[in-house]
Amino acid sequence: EAGVTQSPTHLIKTRGQQATLRCSPISGHTSVYWYQQALGLGLQFLLWYDEGEERNRGNFPPRFSGRQFPNYSSELNVNALELEDSALYLCASSLLVTLRGDNEQFFGPGTRLTVL
Amino acid sequence: GQQLNQSPQSMFIQEGEDVSMNCTSSSIFNTWLWYKQEPGEGPVLLIALYKAGELTSNGRLTAQFGITRKDSFLNISASIPSDVGIYFCAGQPASGANNLFFGTGTRLTVIP
Repeated sequence: EAGVTQSPTHLIKTRGQQATLRCSPISGHTSVYWYQQALGLGLQFLLWYDEGEERNRGNFPPRFSGRQFPNYSSELNVNALELEDSALYLCASSLLVTLRGDNEQFFGPGTRLTVL
Repeated sequence: GQQLNQSPQSMFIQEGEDVSMNCTSSSIFNTWLWYKQEPGEGPVLLIALYKAGELTSNGRLTAQFGITRKDSFLNISASIPSDVGIYFCAGQPASGANNLFFGTGTRLTVIP
């Protein structure tokens, strides 16, 4: 069974540009999560999508946005890139569970975004 | 947002030694997860805990969900060189949102 896949592996942009990152979840998973991992730091929650809708977002500015497609794949868009946006962007997927507490998230390899 | 304090930040141990790391939160969590991340890769789920007091093992790894629901620990017994990596705790708060909050990680180095 294929795991979570992300593309591209690496992305280099200049300040002010826009970046689009893509994620395909594990087959059967409906929830997709995006996290930012700056160098040497832990993971910070960005966005959660399920069934095509944004369910929750972390403490990030509106220039971080995304969407989820009918096949449950997802895009993360970052507008007006700033130098501090340079980080590893990780996507995770899980089943949407109605019983709270049963939420195993499986991660992709990440997209390393470098803003020059 | 939720604060997860993970300690120690780093550990240097001899092969064969046991390792212990822990994570505490400022609020109650419903789920505790432990992940391992190696360079250039995404985190890999090691152990998931869903009930206060739960003790779960996965090979040489053992983790417990604290009885107060505000802490968890991970033990690795008889460490081997391939245990090297960064270990993250993650928790899902009782607020109902599905997103996870992560600790800052414990960087483990195993000296052969």
